[in-house]
Amino acid sequence: GAVVSQHPSWVICKSGTSVKIECRSLDFQATTMFWYRQFPKQSLMLMATSNEGSKATYEQGVEKDKFLINHASLTLSTLTVTSAHPEDSSFYICSARFGTGPPSANPGANVLTFGAGSRLTVL
Amino acid sequence: AQSVTQLDSQVPVFEEAPVELRCNYSSSVSVYLFWYVQYPNQGLQLLLKYLSGSTLVKGINGFEAEFNKSQTSFHLRKPSVHISDTAEYFCAVSEMNTGFQKLVFGTGTRLLVSP
Repeated sequence: GAVVSQHPSWVICKSGTSVKIECRSLDFQATTMFWYRQFPKQSLMLMATSNEGSKATYEQGVEKDKFLINHASLTLSTLTVTSAHPEDSSFYICSARFGTGPPSANPGANVLTFGAGSRLTVL
Repeated sequence: AQSVTQLDSQVPVFEEAPVELRCNYSSSVSVYLFWYVQYPNQGLQLLLKYLSGSTLVKGINGFEAEFNKSQTSFHLRKPSVHISDTAEYFCAVSEMNTGFQKLVFGTGTRLLVSP
C-alpha cells in the first residue's frame, strides 16, 4: 500500500535556528502533498499544499516566509521552519495523494496517506 | 466553506461495549467524508471513507459509519470495542468539487476504553 515517511520524527532546536522536515512517498509518486500542523489536543490545520515543480499554496494566515516548502521531486517535499521560536513548537504532519483524477472514479486509490508526523520543540 | 463538528471531545466506554462517535458537517456542495484514527505521537490512519453509493460504509478494525445526508451526519460505530481502540478519532470532509485537494478536520474525539 501507499506509504508516506516523515523525517525526523522529533526534533529539538534552539530559538532562532531553522529546521527542515522531510516528507517522502515511498512507493508511489505524489504530485501533490499537504502539510498540516497540530497543536496539543487539537485538530489538524492545513498549512499549505505542496505542488511538484511549482510554488506551494499557503492557507490564509500561514506565513510563507516562515514555513518554506519545497517539492523538488515526485517523491519528496520538505518543510523548513525558519528562525524557529517556541510558539512554532507543534506536531507537523504531511500527507500525499495516491492516484489522480476524481476520487469517485477510482475508489481504491485517490486517498490521502499521512506520515507519522514530526514533533518540533523549540527551546 | 465546509466545516466539521465533533460534539464529544471524549467518550469513555468499557471494553466489549458498543460505541458511537458523532460527526456532523456543513457544506453548500456535495462532499466526501472520512474517519481517521490517530494513536499517540503518530500520524493519521484511514478508518473508512464515503465517496458515493451505499450510505453504510464498513472500514478497518470492525468500524462502520453511516452517511445521512438529510441530517448531514457521518457517525462512526463499533459494536464491541477493545482496549486497543483507545485513540483519537477525527472526522474529515472534502468538497467534491475540490477532490481531495483540501481536507477539513473536526476537533477530534478521544475514545477511552477501560477494562
